[in-house]
Amino acid sequence: KAGVTQTPRYLIKTRGQQVTLSCSPISGHRSVSWYQQTPGQGLQFLFEYFSETQRNKGNFPGRFSGRQFSNSRSEMNVSTLELGDSALYLCASSLAGPSYNEQFFGPGTRLTVL
Amino acid sequence: GENVEQHPSTLSVQEGDSAVIKCTYSDSASNYFPWYKQELGKRPQLIIDIRSNVGEKKDQRIAVTLNKTAKHFSLHITETQPEDSAVYFCAANSGAGSYQLTFGKGTKLSVIP
Repeated sequence: KAGVTQTPRYLIKTRGQQVTLSCSPISGHRSVSWYQQTPGQGLQFLFEYFSETQRNKGNFPGRFSGRQFSNSRSEMNVSTLELGDSALYLCASSLAGPSYNEQFFGPGTRLTVL
Repeated sequence: GENVEQHPSTLSVQEGDSAVIKCTYSDSASNYFPWYKQELGKRPQLIIDIRSNVGEKKDQRIAVTLNKTAKHFSLHITETQPEDSAVYFCAANSGAGSYQLTFGKGTKLSVIP
């Protein structure tokens, strides 16, 4: 089976712009979680989707949003980018949810905000 | 919400020695505790996990222990090898049935040959 893929792998944006990141889960996996990884804070949970429904949202401002499509692919959007949004954004997929089945991570999208 | 604290932030051991990383959690309803290993430039990978109905779990050189009363769990790596060098993250779900994992800030383990 192909692993979790994320596109694009690298992005450079300027403050105030918006960005959309994409995640394709492992075939058959219906749960997709998103995380922000920064050197000082580790992995911080953004949100989790299952069958197109957001089941959990982390402590991030409303500028961070996401969605999931019927084929389980997921996107996350960040509007009005700030310098502090520079990070590695990781998505992870599992069959039914990160507490129930092993979660597999994608390679991440490295976002740099100038 | 759940809060997970992880110690130490860095750890250096001689090859062949043991390494122990400790985490504490705040939500007594948490019932799932995975550990992830992230090598430099790579994605995190699950190495072992434990559920709250078990006190200890082993997989070759890796073991995890859980103390529900004290709300802490630990990763033990025995006979360390240079390829064990990586950042290790502990995590806990935010309450039973939660769809969210809260991660510790990571421990950078260096195994010195």
